[in-house]
Amino acid sequence: EAGVTQSPTHLIKTRGQQATLRCSPISGHTSVYWYQQALGLGLQFLLWYDEGEERNRGNFPPRFSGRQFPNYSSELNVNALELEDSALYLCASSFLVLNQPQHFGDGTRLSIL
Amino acid sequence: GQQLNQSPQSMFIQEGEDVSMNCTSSSIFNTWLWYKQDPGEGPVLLIALYKAGELTSNGRLTAQFGITRKDSFLNISASIPSDVGIYFCAGRFRTGNQFYFGTGTSLTVIP
Repeated sequence: EAGVTQSPTHLIKTRGQQATLRCSPISGHTSVYWYQQALGLGLQFLLWYDEGEERNRGNFPPRFSGRQFPNYSSELNVNALELEDSALYLCASSFLVLNQPQHFGDGTRLSIL
Repeated sequence: GQQLNQSPQSMFIQEGEDVSMNCTSSSIFNTWLWYKQDPGEGPVLLIALYKAGELTSNGRLTAQFGITRKDSFLNISASIPSDVGIYFCAGRFRTGNQFYFGTGTSLTVIP
Protein backbone atom coordinates (compact mmCIF):
# COMPACT_ATOMS: atom_id res chain seq x y z
CA GLU A 1 0.00 0.00 0.00
CA ALA A 2 1.42 3.37 -1.02
CA GLY A 3 1.88 5.84 1.79
CA VAL A 4 1.17 9.55 1.81
CA THR A 5 3.05 11.21 -1.01
CA GLN A 6 3.99 14.87 -1.16
CA SER A 7 5.43 17.00 -3.93
CA PRO A 8 7.69 18.69 -4.54
CA THR A 9 10.33 17.49 -2.11
CA HIS A 10 11.99 20.87 -2.04
CA LEU A 11 10.73 24.29 -3.11
CA ILE A 12 12.71 27.51 -3.20
CA LYS A 13 10.88 30.82 -3.48
CA THR A 14 11.51 34.47 -2.82
CA ARG A 15 9.61 36.83 -0.60
CA GLY A 16 6.23 37.86 -1.96
CA GLN A 17 5.88 34.85 -4.26
CA GLN A 18 3.24 32.17 -4.00
CA ALA A 19 3.84 28.48 -3.30
CA THR A 20 1.69 25.43 -4.01
CA LEU A 21 2.33 22.16 -2.22
CA ARG A 22 0.60 18.90 -3.08
CA CYS A 23 -0.40 15.82 -1.15
CA SER A 24 -1.88 12.45 -2.08
CA PRO A 25 -3.37 10.54 0.85
CA ILE A 26 -3.25 6.83 1.51
CA SER A 27 -5.86 5.04 -0.58
CA GLY A 28 -9.19 4.98 1.29
CA HIS A 29 -8.34 7.90 3.56
CA THR A 30 -10.69 10.85 3.20
CA SER A 31 -9.14 13.24 5.71
CA VAL A 32 -6.03 15.26 4.92
CA TYR A 33 -4.16 17.40 7.45
CA TRP A 34 -1.44 19.98 6.88
CA TYR A 35 1.22 20.90 9.45
CA GLN A 36 4.09 23.36 9.50
CA GLN A 37 7.32 22.27 11.16
CA ALA A 38 9.81 25.10 11.49
CA LEU A 39 13.43 24.15 12.14
CA GLY A 40 13.85 22.69 15.60
CA LEU A 41 10.19 23.11 16.47
CA GLY A 42 7.21 20.82 16.81
CA LEU A 43 4.31 20.37 14.44
CA GLN A 44 1.93 23.30 14.15
CA PHE A 45 -1.52 22.40 12.84
CA LEU A 46 -2.50 24.33 9.70
CA LEU A 47 -5.58 22.84 8.06
CA TRP A 48 -7.85 19.80 8.03
CA TYR A 49 -9.87 18.76 4.99
CA ASP A 50 -12.39 15.98 4.66
CA GLU A 51 -14.70 15.13 1.77
CA GLY A 52 -13.65 18.32 0.01
CA GLU A 53 -14.54 20.61 2.92
CA GLU A 54 -12.31 22.56 5.27
CA ARG A 55 -13.12 21.14 8.72
CA ASN A 56 -10.73 23.04 10.93
CA ARG A 57 -8.02 25.62 10.71
CA GLY A 58 -5.03 26.40 12.92
CA ASN A 59 -3.84 29.80 14.04
CA PHE A 60 -2.34 30.89 10.73
CA PRO A 61 -3.08 33.97 8.59
CA PRO A 62 -5.50 33.73 5.64
CA ARG A 63 -2.64 33.68 3.15
CA PHE A 64 -2.36 30.01 4.08
CA SER A 65 -5.15 28.24 2.26
CA GLY A 66 -5.85 25.01 0.52
CA ARG A 67 -8.34 22.70 -1.01
CA GLN A 68 -9.18 19.05 -1.35
CA PHE A 69 -10.07 17.49 -4.66
CA PRO A 70 -12.72 14.80 -5.39
CA ASN A 71 -9.97 12.14 -5.37
CA TYR A 72 -9.08 13.32 -1.81
CA SER A 73 -5.71 14.74 -2.82
CA SER A 74 -5.00 18.18 -1.47
CA GLU A 75 -3.13 21.37 -2.18
CA LEU A 76 -1.71 23.87 0.27
CA ASN A 77 -1.26 27.38 -1.07
CA VAL A 78 0.81 30.02 0.63
CA ASN A 79 0.53 33.54 -0.76
CA ALA A 80 2.77 36.56 -0.21
CA LEU A 81 5.58 34.40 1.13
CA GLU A 82 7.56 35.69 4.08
CA LEU A 83 10.97 34.61 5.34
CA GLU A 84 9.43 32.98 8.41
CA ASP A 85 7.38 30.68 6.17
CA SER A 86 10.55 28.66 5.62
CA ALA A 87 9.75 25.25 7.09
CA LEU A 88 8.99 21.63 6.44
CA TYR A 89 5.33 21.28 5.48
CA LEU A 90 3.92 17.90 6.37
CA CYS A 91 0.76 16.32 5.10
CA ALA A 92 -1.01 13.51 6.94
CA SER A 93 -4.06 11.43 6.11
CA SER A 94 -6.48 9.26 8.01
CA PHE A 95 -9.91 7.69 7.87
CA LEU A 96 -12.55 10.08 9.19
CA VAL A 97 -13.71 7.56 11.79
CA LEU A 98 -12.82 8.82 15.24
CA ASN A 99 -9.59 7.64 16.83
CA GLN A 100 -7.93 6.73 13.58
CA PRO A 101 -4.27 7.79 13.71
CA GLN A 102 -2.76 10.07 11.12
CA HIS A 103 -0.08 8.84 8.76
CA PHE A 104 2.47 11.32 7.45
CA GLY A 105 4.25 11.96 4.20
CA ASP A 106 7.90 12.99 4.10
CA GLY A 107 7.07 16.65 3.65
CA THR A 108 7.96 19.52 1.36
CA ARG A 109 10.89 21.66 2.44
CA LEU A 110 9.97 25.26 1.57
CA SER A 111 12.83 27.74 1.62
CA ILE A 112 12.22 31.44 1.25
CA LEU A 113 15.14 33.55 0.07
CA GLY B 1 -4.07 25.97 21.17
CA GLN B 2 -3.42 23.03 23.40
CA GLN B 3 0.05 22.66 24.89
CA LEU B 4 1.60 19.28 25.21
CA ASN B 5 4.78 19.29 27.25
CA GLN B 6 7.30 16.64 26.35
CA SER B 7 10.28 15.84 28.50
CA PRO B 8 13.09 15.59 28.36
CA GLN B 9 13.72 17.91 25.43
CA SER B 10 16.81 15.93 24.48
CA MET B 11 18.61 12.81 25.63
CA PHE B 12 22.11 11.47 25.07
CA ILE B 13 22.45 7.83 26.05
CA GLN B 14 24.81 4.91 25.60
CA GLU B 15 23.84 2.08 23.29
CA GLY B 16 22.11 -0.63 25.31
CA GLU B 17 20.58 1.71 27.86
CA ASP B 18 16.86 2.02 28.43
CA VAL B 19 15.06 5.29 27.61
CA SER B 20 12.03 6.91 29.19
CA MET B 21 10.19 9.98 28.01
CA ASN B 22 6.82 11.46 28.79
CA CYS B 23 4.19 13.83 27.59
CA THR B 24 1.80 15.84 29.76
CA SER B 25 -1.25 17.91 29.00
CA SER B 26 -3.43 20.33 30.90
CA SER B 27 -6.47 18.68 29.29
CA ILE B 28 -7.90 15.19 29.22
CA PHE B 29 -7.28 13.28 26.01
CA ASN B 30 -9.06 10.23 24.62
CA THR B 31 -6.26 9.10 22.33
CA TRP B 32 -2.50 9.26 22.58
CA LEU B 33 -0.12 8.59 19.72
CA TRP B 34 3.65 8.30 19.63
CA TYR B 35 5.64 9.05 16.49
CA LYS B 36 9.31 8.94 15.54
CA GLN B 37 10.80 11.32 12.99
CA ASP B 38 14.11 10.68 11.27
CA PRO B 39 16.01 13.58 9.69
CA GLY B 40 14.51 14.62 6.37
CA GLU B 41 11.49 12.37 6.75
CA GLY B 42 7.96 12.60 8.05
CA PRO B 43 6.89 11.22 11.45
CA VAL B 44 6.20 7.51 11.53
CA LEU B 45 3.53 6.13 13.85
CA LEU B 46 4.98 3.90 16.57
CA ILE B 47 2.16 3.21 19.01
CA ALA B 48 -1.48 4.25 19.42
CA LEU B 49 -3.25 4.24 22.81
CA TYR B 50 -7.01 4.47 23.22
CA LYS B 51 -7.83 3.69 26.84
CA ALA B 52 -6.71 5.07 30.21
CA GLY B 53 -4.17 2.72 31.78
CA GLU B 54 -3.54 0.92 28.49
CA LEU B 55 -0.03 -0.45 28.07
CA THR B 56 1.00 -1.31 24.50
CA SER B 57 4.26 -2.64 23.12
CA ASN B 58 5.84 -2.53 19.69
CA GLY B 59 9.06 -4.51 19.79
CA ARG B 60 11.42 -2.79 22.21
CA LEU B 61 9.01 0.14 22.58
CA THR B 62 6.33 0.29 25.26
CA ALA B 63 3.90 3.15 25.74
CA GLN B 64 1.29 3.78 28.41
CA PHE B 65 -1.85 5.89 28.51
CA GLY B 66 -1.77 7.60 31.90
CA ILE B 67 -4.57 6.91 34.38
CA THR B 68 -5.36 10.62 34.68
CA ARG B 69 -5.67 10.76 30.86
CA LYS B 70 -3.47 13.83 30.95
CA ASP B 71 -0.21 12.08 30.30
CA SER B 72 1.49 9.32 28.38
CA PHE B 73 4.86 7.60 28.60
CA LEU B 74 7.17 5.96 26.09
CA ASN B 75 9.94 3.57 27.04
CA ILE B 76 12.60 2.12 24.76
CA SER B 77 14.54 -0.84 26.04
CA ALA B 78 18.12 -1.76 25.08
CA SER B 79 18.59 1.23 22.76
CA ILE B 80 20.40 0.81 19.44
CA PRO B 81 21.88 3.42 17.07
CA SER B 82 18.85 3.38 14.76
CA ASP B 83 16.68 4.62 17.64
CA VAL B 84 18.20 8.05 17.01
CA GLY B 85 15.58 10.61 16.02
CA ILE B 86 12.91 12.90 17.40
CA TYR B 87 9.99 11.34 19.24
CA PHE B 88 6.67 13.15 19.26
CA CYS B 89 3.56 12.54 21.29
CA ALA B 90 0.14 13.56 20.05
CA GLY B 91 -3.19 13.71 21.86
CA ARG B 92 -6.81 13.96 20.76
CA PHE B 93 -9.90 15.05 22.65
CA ARG B 94 -13.01 12.89 22.87
CA THR B 95 -14.65 14.91 20.11
CA GLY B 96 -13.08 16.19 16.95
CA ASN B 97 -10.42 14.66 14.76
CA GLN B 98 -7.60 17.05 15.48
CA PHE B 99 -4.43 15.85 17.14
CA TYR B 100 -2.21 18.17 19.18
CA PHE B 101 1.50 17.49 19.05
CA GLY B 102 4.20 17.79 21.67
CA THR B 103 7.44 19.65 21.02
CA GLY B 104 9.43 16.45 20.68
CA THR B 105 12.24 14.61 22.47
CA SER B 106 15.49 14.37 20.54
CA LEU B 107 17.27 11.07 21.20
CA THR B 108 20.96 10.51 20.50
CA VAL B 109 22.42 7.04 21.01
CA ILE B 110 26.16 6.85 21.47
CA PRO B 111 27.64 3.56 20.18
